[in-house]
Amino acid sequence: GENVEQHPSTLSVQEGDSAVIKCTYSDSASNYFPWYKQELGKGPQLIIDIRSNVGEKKDQRIAVTLNKTAKHFSLHITETQPEDSAVYFCAAKPPGYSTLTFGKGTMLLVSP
Amino acid sequence: EAQVTQNPRYLITVTGKKLTVTCSQNMNHEYMSWYRQDPGLGLRQIYYSMNVEVTDKGDVPEGYKVSRKEKRNFPLILESPSPNQTSLYFCASRGLAGGQEYFGPGTRLTVT
Repeated sequence: GENVEQHPSTLSVQEGDSAVIKCTYSDSASNYFPWYKQELGKGPQLIIDIRSNVGEKKDQRIAVTLNKTAKHFSLHITETQPEDSAVYFCAAKPPGYSTLTFGKGTMLLVSP
Repeated sequence: EAQVTQNPRYLITVTGKKLTVTCSQNMNHEYMSWYRQDPGLGLRQIYYSMNVEVTDKGDVPEGYKVSRKEKRNFPLILESPSPNQTSLYFCASRGLAGGQEYFGPGTRLTVT
C-alpha cells in the first residue's frame, strides 16, 4: 500500500518568514495530493490540493509543488502569520475507489 | 451548510463498557471513514465504507466495529473498550470518486 513520509515534525518560524513542509510517497500510481490544516480542537480542513497532471498550484500565500519523478510534494507558505500556526497533514491517494494515506503531520508555530 | 457531525464530542468511560460514537453527513457522500489521531502517529484509518452495506478495514481495525445501514450515518462501535483506545477520533466523508475529504470536529475518548 501507499506510504507517506512527512518532514519536519515541528517547524518554528518568525512572522513574515516562509515555511516549507515536505512529503514523499511510495506508490507511483498516486495522483491526488491534498494538504490539510488542523487547528487546535478542530478537525482537519483542506487548504490546497494538487493532481499529478500539474506541477505547481498556488492560492494566495500557499502553494504546493509536485515532483512525480522523485515522488515528493511540498507545501510552501509565504509571509507567515500567527494564525497559520496549526498542524499540517499531507496525504496521497491512488486513482479510483481508494483511500487517502496521511503523513504524520507537522506542527507549525509562527511567532509574532 | 455542508458538514460532518459526531457525537459525543467528549467521552470518559471504563474498560469493557460498550460504546458507540455516531457520525452523520449531509452531503450525500458515498464514502465515509473513521480515523484515530495519536501524538506522533498522525491520522490512522480504522474502517471505511464505500457505500451502504459496504465496509472495509483500514490500518488499525482491531477492537472496533462499524455499520453502514444508511448513506448518511456511519457509527463507530467499541464493544469492549480498553485503555489503548484512548484517542481522538475523526469521522470523514467524500464523494466516491475522490475530491475533498470533509472531517467532523472529533471525539475525544478516554478509557480508564
